[in-house]
Amino acid sequence: RKEVEQDPGPFNVPEGATVAFNCTYSNSASQSFFWYRQDCRKEPKLLMSVYSSGNEDGRFTAQLNRASQYISLLIRDSKLSDSATYLCVVTSGNTPLVFGKGTRLSVIA
Amino acid sequence: GAVVSQHPSWVICKSGTSVKIECRSLDFQATTMFWYRQFPKQSLMLMATSNEGSKATYEQGVEKDKFLINHASLTLSTLTVTSAHPEDSSFYICSASRLAGYEQYFGPGTRLTVT
Repeated sequence: RKEVEQDPGPFNVPEGATVAFNCTYSNSASQSFFWYRQDCRKEPKLLMSVYSSGNEDGRFTAQLNRASQYISLLIRDSKLSDSATYLCVVTSGNTPLVFGKGTRLSVIA
Repeated sequence: GAVVSQHPSWVICKSGTSVKIECRSLDFQATTMFWYRQFPKQSLMLMATSNEGSKATYEQGVEKDKFLINHASLTLSTLTVTSAHPEDSSFYICSASRLAGYEQYFGPGTRLTVT
């Protein structure tokens, strides 16, 4: 089983839609969780950290379910500029980040 | 703050030549730097972790004699792809962290094409 698994998509949604991505991880010792965004042919950029209690940043909401070992990202009121690949990232503290393959989102006008 | 630069942003070289990629933390001191490689439609794969002043730690399957990493200062790490072959063509991305286990800041990446 891969360490971090994501549905590759693509998710094609109209502007204004709400879309959610899930990501599962295999290492129960994972301590830190992140969502990164990567635009085509660019480096990944941190979108948000994921906290146990869940956290929200504007239109973006991240949640963590330790029991089921998955994290989620919800995007409300999708914008064209949200089109990108969303990477699920986990780490066990001092270990390097482990990236999922990403979920591709296309927001269509 | 926390800006990381890479140079060059893209390079085309002939098979058999060596290519050096620089990664710099511009406004902070990076005790740890990471080198990743990403093939098309694949996830970022960690190649090696380097700490300033010590030898890099390579991931399984990454040849340390082929991918030479030097982290001589707290703001600069270099990756040299020696005797490059077409299969080394990829997107190489570095990241830098103030401390191991803390947030990583990514450079813009270097696209290498070996002909």
